[in-house]
Amino acid sequence: QKEVEQNSGPLSVPEGAIASLNCTYSDRVSQSFFWYRQYSGKSPELIMSIYSNGDKEDGRFTAQLNKASQYVSLLIRDSQPSDSATYLCAVNSLQGGKLIFGQGTELSVKP
Amino acid sequence: EPEVTQTPSHQVTQMGQEVILRCVPISNHLYFYWYRQILGQKVEFLVSFYNNEISEKSEIFDDQFSVERPDGSNFTLKIRSTKLEDSAMYFCASNDQGFRETQYFGPGTRLLVL
Repeated sequence: QKEVEQNSGPLSVPEGAIASLNCTYSDRVSQSFFWYRQYSGKSPELIMSIYSNGDKEDGRFTAQLNKASQYVSLLIRDSQPSDSATYLCAVNSLQGGKLIFGQGTELSVKP
Repeated sequence: EPEVTQTPSHQVTQMGQEVILRCVPISNHLYFYWYRQILGQKVEFLVSFYNNEISEKSEIFDDQFSVERPDGSNFTLKIRSTKLEDSAMYFCASNDQGFRETQYFGPGTRLLVL
């Protein structure tokens, strides 16, 4: 069974701090990795995609991928209260585009 | 910015009834997906669809489920005889560059089966 694991949290950080979210996956052949943000009762909204080992930066967000360790992370710099949400890690199984989601990490940014 | 749209936003139905959930993917997208999320649980894949046929389906997507692209814009999910455990948020997603690429999600339909 292909799995994606995340700490469910909640992760609480003060405003302006760095939030670090982690994810591990079990299927070694996975090649596409995504971070989505989900507010309560809403749909997943793409934050970042990453396909190659290393870091990828987009504004306050940095995704990190280590395929050897089967590990993906998301750093949020200068965290804002509006960043408070559940962050979903998703891995593409390639076969037919199936995204396998983790259970999500709830982030709370305190003013 | 183009968006995936879904109708209805909420649907309440009686157990055993048929429901059709509708999606309008982003206009130039060719790959379509349905996911569901039971309250408090993970987002789960149901089915992917390309070139007018199912590409992959999960074990959840049994004979009670079907998908269709009845015209050039709509993509539908039909549940033939709803069960209580079908109560969930159903999300449609689409993309244009293939199964490896980012999927864009619609706002979802909240289905409640009584």
